Amino acid sequence: QVQLVESGGGVVQPGRSLRLSCAASGFTFSAFPMHWVRQAPGKGLEWVALTSPDGNIKDSADSVKGRFTISRDNSRNTLYLQMNSLRTEDTAVYYCVRDHGLGMSARRGFDPWGQGTLVTVSS
Amino acid sequence: DIVMTQSPDSLAVSLGERATINCKSSHSVLYSANNKNFLAWYQQKPGQPPKLLIYWASTRESGVPDRFSGSGSGTDFTLTISSLQAEDVAVYYCQQYYSTPPYTFGQGTKLEIK
Repeated sequence: QVQLVESGGGVVQPGRSLRLSCAASGFTFSAFPMHWVRQAPGKGLEWVALTSPDGNIKDSADSVKGRFTISRDNSRNTLYLQMNSLRTEDTAVYYCVRDHGLGMSARRGFDPWGQGTLVTVSS
Repeated sequence: DIVMTQSPDSLAVSLGERATINCKSSHSVLYSANNKNFLAWYQQKPGQPPKLLIYWASTRESGVPDRFSGSGSGTDFTLTISSLQAEDVAVYYCQQYYSTPPYTFGQGTKLEIK
């Protein structure tokens, strides 16, 4: 079945770096745009970053631009999020999410979602 | 950026009764190329990731019970649960995925049993 499994979360000090990974299985990973979405404790959902199927097109939220970098390795069916210069406000559960549908006109939201990995930025 | 605003922030409904959640976008999310509204609804239960319920504003995702329905077009949308069940207690989010990022979410509506 379609599955996304995140890893790499943990406790990190402000200003430090962390890299999240997301292992995909059960579908043709290289065909789909992929996203990272985060959720601070007790808060709502915030879209973080997007990569196109081939990895050539990337975009990110203003709140992380210049600090976070999304990438993918289609040969390993893996999505990454490199997080640098971490701040306390980056504390959140980070979800790996697939774009649902192929092609702009067929887009149907975000599905599936991984279980998430918790990143805590604290001194 | 497109701002998504949900109402109410919280809602308490009796079992078997109708629950209605509204979502308003600051810009139309109607994609002219296919005449579809790029608006999705998600359900999130405690300790779980969000689950896609509705896409294109009114199309139920496979496996979603038919008591869930979505309506609306352009900038105003509604999620309706026709007969509330205990397992529907959750936070519900709308999201626009129109055109280019950022793909913004509403602030969420917490649904409880009265």
